[in-house]
Amino acid sequence: AQTVTQSQPEMSVQEAETVTLSCTYDTSESDYYLFWYKQPPSRQMILVIRQEAYKQQNATENRFSVNFQKAAKSFSLKISDSQLGDAAMYFCAYRSAFAGGGADGLTFGKGTHLIIQP
Amino acid sequence: DSGVTQTPKHLITATGQRVTLRCSPRSGDLSVYWYQQSLDQGLQFLIQYYNGEERAKGNILERFSAQQFPDLHSELNLSSLELGDSALYFCASSLRDSYTEAFFGQGTRLTVV
Repeated sequence: AQTVTQSQPEMSVQEAETVTLSCTYDTSESDYYLFWYKQPPSRQMILVIRQEAYKQQNATENRFSVNFQKAAKSFSLKISDSQLGDAAMYFCAYRSAFAGGGADGLTFGKGTHLIIQP
Repeated sequence: DSGVTQTPKHLITATGQRVTLRCSPRSGDLSVYWYQQSLDQGLQFLIQYYNGEERAKGNILERFSAQQFPDLHSELNLSSLELGDSALYFCASSLRDSYTEAFFGQGTRLTVV
């Protein structure tokens, strides 16, 4: 079974600065997808960014980018120019590309609580 | 707004009771996933339905069941409720059973007293 580990229960950053959230995962599979989801106080789970394991290029979405290291099984999220609205729980998630023809759910880490200091 | 609708938003019930949570997926999405979020277990995948059929099971208890109807909405039934079942229950939907992105509803907060 796959596992996802987020070793930082809480991170704090000054507004406008850059912060990196860590995520490692364990799998024996070669093809999979990795995600970062954001959960603000509203509880809504919002997809931040997605990475396909077969792609070497790191995904980028505006101020959000990832550092995907497949050999090290590492998938960190970098948030540039942090804004107050970025304050939330951030979850790293894994999904196999093969399981049941893509029919299994996401495996989540425990989350990192990101605090933005004004 | 993700387009996924869950009702009710909040539910308080007593131990031993049975409740039904409802999910309407995004228009056009055929796949529905149920997740449980609790302080103890974090976010866990429970079950998936695709076009009316059960497709995958995760850590779903035998006291829990789900179904997806012809109009593609889904219901999660929780019975013989225990205090430990108190959690946030999410529904997510995606276009196909093989997906790269799922859209989550706002969740149903279940409190068992």
